[in-house]
Amino acid sequence: DIQMTQSPSTLSASVGDRVTITCRASQSISTYLAWYQQKPGKAPKLLIYKASSLESGVPARFSGSGSGTEFTLTISSLQPDDFATYYCQQHNSYSYTFGQGTKVEIK
Amino acid sequence: EVQLLESGGGLVQPGGSLRLSCVASGFTFSNYGMSWVRQAPGKGLEWVSALSTVGYTTYYADSVKGRFTISRDNSKNTLYLQMNSLRAEDTALYYCAKDWEGLGVWGQGATVTVSS
Repeated sequence: DIQMTQSPSTLSASVGDRVTITCRASQSISTYLAWYQQKPGKAPKLLIYKASSLESGVPARFSGSGSGTEFTLTISSLQPDDFATYYCQQHNSYSYTFGQGTKVEIK
Repeated sequence: EVQLLESGGGLVQPGGSLRLSCVASGFTFSNYGMSWVRQAPGKGLEWVSALSTVGYTTYYADSVKGRFTISRDNSKNTLYLQMNSLRAEDTALYYCAKDWEGLGVWGQGATVTVSS
């Protein structure tokens, strides 16, 4: 199975900060990488699919990049609603695998 | 409105069985693959199983292979997860999700607790 490793595990940031989260795959997944946001007590929400495609309705401050084994999620200017946990997931081949998550906390 | 609604969760003893259901609305259910994803209390997301539309092929995580069975009834717009030989480590919130270029639609989840 493909392993997904996210870093950092926790990130402390302030409103307005530029935030970057990294996800590494144990083997090439082309651009089949998705990013999700999850808030406590809620289901995950798809933000980005195919590494850089923004899901409909997701604010443009979210962007994704990368291919092969290295990927990033960037929030250009952190907003109060963005404090949450973020997960990457490879959707190149079954079985799908998720990263361990990155919690974005208020600094 | 596109919606998924899970049901069938509950408390079960180790070794027992449960069947989860996920009713879809607002989209043509038969045209899409579907997945089950679980989240143990305080932990991250774990993909469990998927059923594609290509030959209705099924896929399972190693942790549930041989114990869980995914199926669907397109006439009822419903996805199922039959869970047998349940273990304490299967305790989690189980989500169904529409599988198309990422998991774009999720249900609210069904809680499964395996305990004696």
